[in-house]
Amino acid sequence: NAGVTQTPKFQVLKTGQSMTLQCAQDMNHNSMYWYRQDPGMGLRLIYYSASEGTTDKGEVPNGYNVSRLNKREFSLRLESAAPSQTSVYFCASSWARDVETQYFGPGTRLLVL
Amino acid sequence: AQSVTQPDIHITVSEGASLELRCNYSYGATPYLFWYVQSPGQGLQLLLKYFSGDTLVQGIKGFEAEFKRSQSSFNLRKPSVHWSDAAEYFCAVGARGGADGLTFGKGTHLIIQP
Repeated sequence: NAGVTQTPKFQVLKTGQSMTLQCAQDMNHNSMYWYRQDPGMGLRLIYYSASEGTTDKGEVPNGYNVSRLNKREFSLRLESAAPSQTSVYFCASSWARDVETQYFGPGTRLLVL
Repeated sequence: AQSVTQPDIHITVSEGASLELRCNYSYGATPYLFWYVQSPGQGLQLLLKYFSGDTLVQGIKGFEAEFKRSQSSFNLRKPSVHWSDAAEYFCAVGARGGADGLTFGKGTHLIIQP
């Protein structure tokens, strides 16, 4: 049972490049989330998927898109990366019967030059 | 809108001393409250949570937190800290039944002095 996994762990992009961050969970959770963490800002919600087939914007969705590929996987895409998207990205998931309690992946560190 | 305030950006505590990390929240209904810990370069680990009932909740690693509705607070405590407790601590609030994510405080960085 790996929990929540994220790939890649580190990535360096040039401004304007695109990339997709991958997230998968093996806990049969219904809901999945993407957060970004910036120094002194805590975690801020980018997008979430309450259940398979649905996605919704969080607090800071601009510049991002998401895909809930299936129940296990939830990807985050940067179509045209900007230096302001340099951050640490965390994926999380939660179970339907305890939806408020989220379990986090190890994070992806992204640097946009 | 809900919000979480962690007034202390940094706290330094001597090993073996007691610890209290402050958290104040703003929320219209009964909140669901959480404390997470993040070790350097790692993801977030759930320490404890409060949904209802007993206002003093016990968590992992010897931590506890007390919910005080009148003060809109959910402070984290530990009677005796260990060097391994050095980390970033986040308080978070969520809505009951809400699958729309948590609102986090900005975190408190805990430094342990030998």
